[in-house]
Amino acid sequence: DTEVTQTPKHLVMGMTNKKSLKCEQHMGHRAMYWYKQKAKKPPELMFVYSYEKLSINESVPSRFSPECPNSSLLNLHLHALQPEDSALYLCASRGDSGNTIYFGEGSWLTVV
Amino acid sequence: AQSVSQHNHHVILSEAASLELGCNYSYGGTVNLFWYVQYPGQHLQLLLKYFSGDPLVKGIKGFEAEFIKSKFSFNLRKPSVQWSDTAEYFCAVIVFSGNTPLVFGKGTRLSVIA
Repeated sequence: DTEVTQTPKHLVMGMTNKKSLKCEQHMGHRAMYWYKQKAKKPPELMFVYSYEKLSINESVPSRFSPECPNSSLLNLHLHALQPEDSALYLCASRGDSGNTIYFGEGSWLTVV
Repeated sequence: AQSVSQHNHHVILSEAASLELGCNYSYGGTVNLFWYVQYPGQHLQLLLKYFSGDPLVKGIKGFEAEFIKSKFSFNLRKPSVQWSDTAEYFCAVIVFSGNTPLVFGKGTRLSVIA
């Protein structure tokens, strides 16, 4: 199984809503990542988790709150988002051997 | 920290033309290199990757890339493009250790016209 599974695939939420994006992998990878991608732009790193601990936060606003409940799961909790936060949110994982990174298909988020 | 430069922002080619997209990276140590493609409205797909060994790497859909260490380059090529190759192409690099993330270039938009 070399899959990173992200749910939901599409999410529309209001600016006052609270929602979560979920990412799951069963490859035993201990590094997991959240990226944000706007149209026609490269993915931008948001967070890095290593061994279930947050190791990098790229100055992401607090309305995005990551969580790693166990080694297979990575969540991104969303609260009070702005329309400009509408984007494709990508999850990725990397094995300890270091040289392969797997991306999920992403969650398309629209904030209205 | 490593960085990636893609020289062409937008490339327009006719069908059957040959393609070469430039990619340079800056990092003095061991890196792994990737090319991703993203079709309109779709997710990232891995085209090919280089870890070690033969510097000429073949990927899916007839794409190939050549790693030239002395030039810190990893250019993507295809001998004959098709209309269906219209997409964004991203070069990316990852340092071969730890949990450092994949770093992407700004991307090159390829438009193939009939």
